[in-house]
Amino acid sequence: KAGVTQTPRYLIKTRGQQVTLSCSPISGHRSVSWYQQTPGQGLQFLFEYFSETQRNKGNFPGRFSGRQFSNSRSEMNVSTLELGDSALYLCASSLNLNEQFFGPGTRLTVL
Amino acid sequence: QQQVKQSPQSLIVQKGGISIINCAYENTAFDYFPWYQQFPGKGPALLIAIRPDVSEKKEGRFTISFNKSAKQFSLHIMDSQPGDSATYFCATNNYGQNFVFGPGTRLSVLP
Repeated sequence: KAGVTQTPRYLIKTRGQQVTLSCSPISGHRSVSWYQQTPGQGLQFLFEYFSETQRNKGNFPGRFSGRQFSNSRSEMNVSTLELGDSALYLCASSLNLNEQFFGPGTRLTVL
Repeated sequence: QQQVKQSPQSLIVQKGGISIINCAYENTAFDYFPWYQQFPGKGPALLIAIRPDVSEKKEGRFTISFNKSAKQFSLHIMDSQPGDSATYFCATNNYGQNFVFGPGTRLSVLP
């Protein structure tokens, strides 16, 4: 069974731009969670989607948003990028709300 | 926000030695305690997990010890190998809620 895939793997943007990241979960998994990973803050939860509905949300500003499609694929968007948004963005899919399987992440660099 | 404290921040052990990483949590509602292993450039991978109805779980060289009254759990890596060199994260959640991760422990196993 294929794992979680994320695209693109690397991205370079400039301040003020917006970015969209994509995540395809493991087949059959309906829950998709997004995390931001930085050396200083560690792994921080952004939001979780289940059956196209946002079910949980972390403490991030409204510039961070997401959505999930009927095939469980998910996208997250960051608008008006700031230097501090540079991070590894990880997507995780889950079948049973406990075991999460992570993708390789998208490395975003904001210049 | 609920926190998970993890120690040590970094750990160096000799090949064949025992690596021990500790975590402490606050919320007694947490009912799932996984450990993740992350190699550079990769997403975290689920290593082993435990529920609070047991005090220990062993899978190969990896063991979780769980102390419900102290709200602590630890990862023991027996016969540590250079290939175990990675960053290890503990995490907690309660069913249906978002995960809270520890800050991570960078393990280096010397050959």
